Amino acid sequence: AQSVTQLDSQVPVFEEAPVELRCNYSSSVSVYLFWYVQYPNQGLQLLLKYLSGSTLVKGINGFEAEFNKSQTSFHLRKPSVHISDTAEYFCAVSPPSGTYKYIFGTGTRLKVLA
Amino acid sequence: NAGVTQTPKFQVLKTGQSMTLQCAQDMNHEYMSWYRQDPGMGLRLIHYSVGAGITDQGEVPNGYNVSRSTTEDFPLRLLSAAPSQTSVYFCASSYARNQPQHFGDGTRLSIL
Repeated sequence: AQSVTQLDSQVPVFEEAPVELRCNYSSSVSVYLFWYVQYPNQGLQLLLKYLSGSTLVKGINGFEAEFNKSQTSFHLRKPSVHISDTAEYFCAVSPPSGTYKYIFGTGTRLKVLA
Repeated sequence: NAGVTQTPKFQVLKTGQSMTLQCAQDMNHEYMSWYRQDPGMGLRLIHYSVGAGITDQGEVPNGYNVSRSTTEDFPLRLLSAAPSQTSVYFCASSYARNQPQHFGDGTRLSIL
């Protein structure tokens, strides 16, 4: 069975500071990895995805993530955050074959402070 | 291009009532899913479909039914609402399993 762990439920950070949101997953098979962002009262939007190939993935709004197979991690980073980045961020995994069961982490609420 | 459309946006039910949450997509996506979002628990998969006529259970299917008679529509039915089903429900669709999911804006459901 797959699982996704986002250990930080809330991350406060000052504007223009760097941020890292952590995601670890557990799976007996290879998986596709995704990061989504959710703004208040909206659905989720894709930030970036890792399918295969280069372990450093660049997404929208200046975010990037690095896939680390040995540590089963897919941490999300941004070198300089803006107030508008305040939102909830979800890591998710999906198996490349078999049952189509997306598994989401419990989310990390990023609060950017002025 | 509307994407994924969910109706209604808000609903209040009494315990024991039934209702159907509607989800429609206009992107010709084969994969569709229903999730519920509760504070501190992320999104949990209720049911999913990999094409018309094909559905399967997710992580928390009890109390919910689905059907997929067309590619476009994937309704979620609550047969006898319970307070534990108070949540925000999201429908999502995807072209393929290695492609991102497109989400609707959600249905906020309260059961008294």
